[in-house]
Amino acid sequence: DTAVSQTPKYLVTQMGNDKSIKCEQNLGHDTMYWYKQDSKKFLKIMFSYNNKELIINETVPNRFSPKSPDKAHLNLHINSLELGDSAVYFCASSQGDNQPQHFGDGTRLSIL
Amino acid sequence: SQQGEEDPQALSIQEGENATMNCSYKTSINNLQWYRQNSGRGLVHLILIRSNEREKHSGRLRVTLDTSKKSSSLLITASRAADTASYFCAPISETSYDKVIFGPGTSLSVIP
Repeated sequence: DTAVSQTPKYLVTQMGNDKSIKCEQNLGHDTMYWYKQDSKKFLKIMFSYNNKELIINETVPNRFSPKSPDKAHLNLHINSLELGDSAVYFCASSQGDNQPQHFGDGTRLSIL
Repeated sequence: SQQGEEDPQALSIQEGENATMNCSYKTSINNLQWYRQNSGRGLVHLILIRSNEREKHSGRLRVTLDTSKKSSSLLITASRAADTASYFCAPISETSYDKVIFGPGTSLSVIP
């Protein structure tokens, strides 16, 4: 059983479009995260939610909006996609603060 | 926030040799975690060492922590081709829900 699953795995779209990435975890964890990994492999946190409440909101453009309908899901919606948004986006979850994180396999976003 | 800095950035060894990678950080930690990322996959948690521990083992992995030097090392003994991956350290701050900033990692290549 996949612990943290993201869909889609690949996303190729035109500049200016709006897209969503879904994430679900079946581990019963309280905390979920979104990360962006650029071409140089730097993994930067974007958002963190604990029990559906926003905990960390890094300096990301307003075009990025996370939504957590319940604690097992944290989706990422991106408006007006730009070339610089091309990256791999990872969802992760953990059982509370300071605990190991479980990552999904990433969504590779390519903007044409 | 807390960022780990891995060293070296790249390491190439023969199968059967040991691989050592280092991590430095700047402020006090609650614990330090090591992760592996295989190409095209998400990060996988390997081992967690608490701030009051000096050494920890898990199979062929040995992690040390020196809080006075703010550094940690990951040793992989008797390396295998399957160990080829990027390795990241994550120093976890004492501050609750402080964001973790992953460094660029150490890219390990194990040559059969």
